[in-house]
Amino acid sequence: QVQLVQSGAEVKKPGSSVKVSCKASGGTFNSYTISWVRQAPGQGLEWMGRIIPILGIANYPQKFQGRVTLTADKSTTTAYMELSSLRFEDTAVYYCARASTMAAQPFDYWGQGTLVTVSS
Amino acid sequence: SYVLTQPPSVSVAPGQTARITCGENNLGSESVHWYQQKPGQAPVLVVYDDNDRPSGIPERFSGSHSGNTATLTISRVEAGDEADYYCQVWDISGDCVFGTGTKVTVL
Repeated sequence: QVQLVQSGAEVKKPGSSVKVSCKASGGTFNSYTISWVRQAPGQGLEWMGRIIPILGIANYPQKFQGRVTLTADKSTTTAYMELSSLRFEDTAVYYCARASTMAAQPFDYWGQGTLVTVSS
Repeated sequence: SYVLTQPPSVSVAPGQTARITCGENNLGSESVHWYQQKPGQAPVLVVYDDNDRPSGIPERFSGSHSGNTATLTISRVEAGDEADYYCQVWDISGDCVFGTGTKVTVL
């Protein structure tokens, strides 16, 4: 069955960077996009961008442009999200989620989430 | 990008029907997807493309999209339906937009 397994929790200092991984199994990695969605404590879901692994092309909402970098390694079917210049307000659970490459598709599988805590 | 407004909370007695709206009349013709999120868990897709259900999702979950508002309906509500629910669309620029979220409480 399809699984997205994310890396473990991280504690980072303000100004540093964090890189979270998302390993996909059980599906055809190149047939999907991988998005990253975060959720601050007690808050809603916020989309951070997506990558098309087969093309290596990523797009980001304006809020995260320049601070988020999405990459994917087709050989290991693993996607990565790197967030730089961390601030206290970046403390959140970060999820990867899969969607078809066709337009306007839903997220049918999600990773288990990775808690990133930004603390001095 | 725009904001998809949902009611912050909906309370419903077991066996009754819960309705959650999305958009407050600013939704376009985009396909709407709905997710259920229980505490400490990742979201789960419950309705996609306005009114389709993934396999394994009970028929009690249904969706509709009329004019500028989409609605998720949960019929014959059970205690296990207590969760947060989010609508989601892809906007015209290709960005993903989530609704503000609705907490469903089963009385």
